Amino acid sequence: GAVVSQHPSRVICKSGTSVKIECRSLDFQATTMFWYRQFPKKSLMLMATSNEGSKATYEQGVEKDKFLINHASLTLSTLTVTSAHPEDSSFYICSAPTSGSDEQYFGPGTRLTVT
Amino acid sequence: EDQVTQSPEALRLQEGESSSLNCSYTVSGLRGLFWYRQDPGKGPEFLFTLYSAGEEKEKERLKATLTKKESFLHITAPKPEDSATYLCAVQAGEDSNYQLIWGAGTKLIIKP
Repeated sequence: GAVVSQHPSRVICKSGTSVKIECRSLDFQATTMFWYRQFPKKSLMLMATSNEGSKATYEQGVEKDKFLINHASLTLSTLTVTSAHPEDSSFYICSAPTSGSDEQYFGPGTRLTVT
Repeated sequence: EDQVTQSPEALRLQEGESSSLNCSYTVSGLRGLFWYRQDPGKGPEFLFTLYSAGEEKEKERLKATLTKKESFLHITAPKPEDSATYLCAVQAGEDSNYQLIWGAGTKLIIKP
């Protein structure tokens, strides 16, 4: 199957600072990537759809000015959590479908802790 | 409203005890149903895609089936390493933006 990586795997930051999470498709090109957030013992919550070369589409209730998404190339999308607060602490996961396929392949996730 | 419901929430089995996980869905025009496995602290791992009622797919001890209303993930003679949360998701409608509607998952625990 296709491989998606995320970096960093874990990050701890202070309240008020910004954190950037990278999502890369390693062996395929992804015009679309998805960013999810997952709370403990809960399922995945879609935050936004990242489209290469255009603006991301955010789900209802997700602040686009707080969660900045940039999909600058066919293999890289970034999620920047700006002015992070403790309530932003969560597990963030990205995914991407391969071309011509419906399956989405997920990154290993990033655990963000805001102190 | 499109909806995916998984049951049970949690399932404890003895090693070797076969069982099934359920994913029922209510969507307008199913494009595909997906099963994933998720281990704690990791991203979901793709298992199967099913597209039409009657379709079945197998991988090792797992077999996924699909009807017009639900999908089952059958696990035969499970081993402790099959312990994980199993997630079901559907892609619906004519929209081709790949968005998935997720169930809450079934946490499977296999005791040795």
